[in-house]
Amino acid sequence: LAKTTQPISMDSYEGQEVNITCSHNNIATNDYITWYQQFPSQGPRFIIQGYKTKVTNEVASLFIPADRKSSTLSLPRVSLSDTAVYYCLVYNQAGTALIFGKGTTLSVSS
Amino acid sequence: GAVVSQHPSWVICKSGTSVKIECRSLDFQATTMFWYRQFPKQSLMLMATSNEGSKATYEQGVEKDKFLINHASLTLSTLTVTSAHPEDSSFYICSALTSGGQGEQFFGPGTRLTVL
Repeated sequence: LAKTTQPISMDSYEGQEVNITCSHNNIATNDYITWYQQFPSQGPRFIIQGYKTKVTNEVASLFIPADRKSSTLSLPRVSLSDTAVYYCLVYNQAGTALIFGKGTTLSVSS
Repeated sequence: GAVVSQHPSWVICKSGTSVKIECRSLDFQATTMFWYRQFPKQSLMLMATSNEGSKATYEQGVEKDKFLINHASLTLSTLTVTSAHPEDSSFYICSALTSGGQGEQFFGPGTRLTVL
């Protein structure tokens, strides 16, 4: 399984765009990149998933360069409620368990 | 997205007792479910993979006789913490894998176990 590296913590203010970058140098051809959000005492919640280039949904965008060795989660105009831990994970389609790294603790202030 | 529930959401028990935690996929069938444990300020740690109709696969270092997993139906997996001790106090989270397609995983809300 490809190991991921992401910043331990990030700080932002309400209304700003937040970009969290994740490194996954050993990503395999069949691997997908997925991001989850976790609030305290809750289970992780799926944010977005992608294989290459750019993926956008109603809450975030995911940018993946051509070499796929990194990815960036972009949260537009964060609010206080976006304060959470964000996990970057790499997995293949075979249905194996998601292996969580340390995640990035995002703190949004007013 | 699909919904996964856990019961109970929290439980307090005395040392030496056993506690059962249920994980249910509410609107889909899940042949595979996963159990994680999360200590305060730490990430989720995979404990075991639960497959319907077969024995669970445990991660290295997880005692299978202490953490009993039963996946008796396509919508229910249970984790029983036997002879619980204070060091077993943790946040237990399950996830269920949808079949077909991209095989997405959906997580339950977690169960807070406190062993006195």
